[in-house]
Amino acid sequence: GQQVMQIPQYQHVQEGEDFTTYCNSSTTLSNIQWYKQRPGGHPVFLIQLVKSGEVKKQKRLTFQFGEAKKNSSLHITATQTTDVGTYFCAGVTSGTYKYIFGTGTRLKVLA
Amino acid sequence: NAGVMQNPRHLVRRRGQEARLRCSPMKGHSHVYWYRQLPEEGLKFMVYLQKENIIDESGMPKERFSAEFPKEGPSILRIQQVVRGDSAAYFCASSPGTRTVAFFGQGTRLTVV
Repeated sequence: GQQVMQIPQYQHVQEGEDFTTYCNSSTTLSNIQWYKQRPGGHPVFLIQLVKSGEVKKQKRLTFQFGEAKKNSSLHITATQTTDVGTYFCAGVTSGTYKYIFGTGTRLKVLA
Repeated sequence: NAGVMQNPRHLVRRRGQEARLRCSPMKGHSHVYWYRQLPEEGLKFMVYLQKENIIDESGMPKERFSAEFPKEGPSILRIQQVVRGDSAAYFCASSPGTRTVAFFGQGTRLTVV
């Protein structure tokens, strides 16, 4: 079945350092979404990418969708303590309707 | 415009009891997804429903688990004869259509004692 892997599983950074998480799907995706989940919280939608090669920015966050629509990345510039949480990608494949979530990357930011 | 509402937020059940988890989607959303999250793990797809129809239940355990989304009222995830391994956070998400953005509720934390 379809699998969505994320690396790294954990990342500890010093405040001000950059952070990147990568998402790889075993199958081609029709779109991909990114969510952030704070400890004890629920997934909060960040962004959706649809087009091959698409790049979107939200302040310090940059999201990319690969040309083959099988991978994606989230890059945070100059992390802050408020960036702490687990970042999940979720992909939808053509012909299906369910979002398959990646394994998540847990980010800790050290002040 | 209320978000996705789940209740209860916390539920404690003894082994063998039944657990009923409710999810009211956002206004105008007719698609509901249920996910299970074990501590320190990711979200595992369970079931996808539209009003009165189960579209995909490939992630649901074959026994003891069932889901519905009636014409009126919330979606219900029902777990019969709960066991300790059912302890998890159960999240519901809703969307207005297929392959559109899904918004999550705050989850129900189920503890089986």
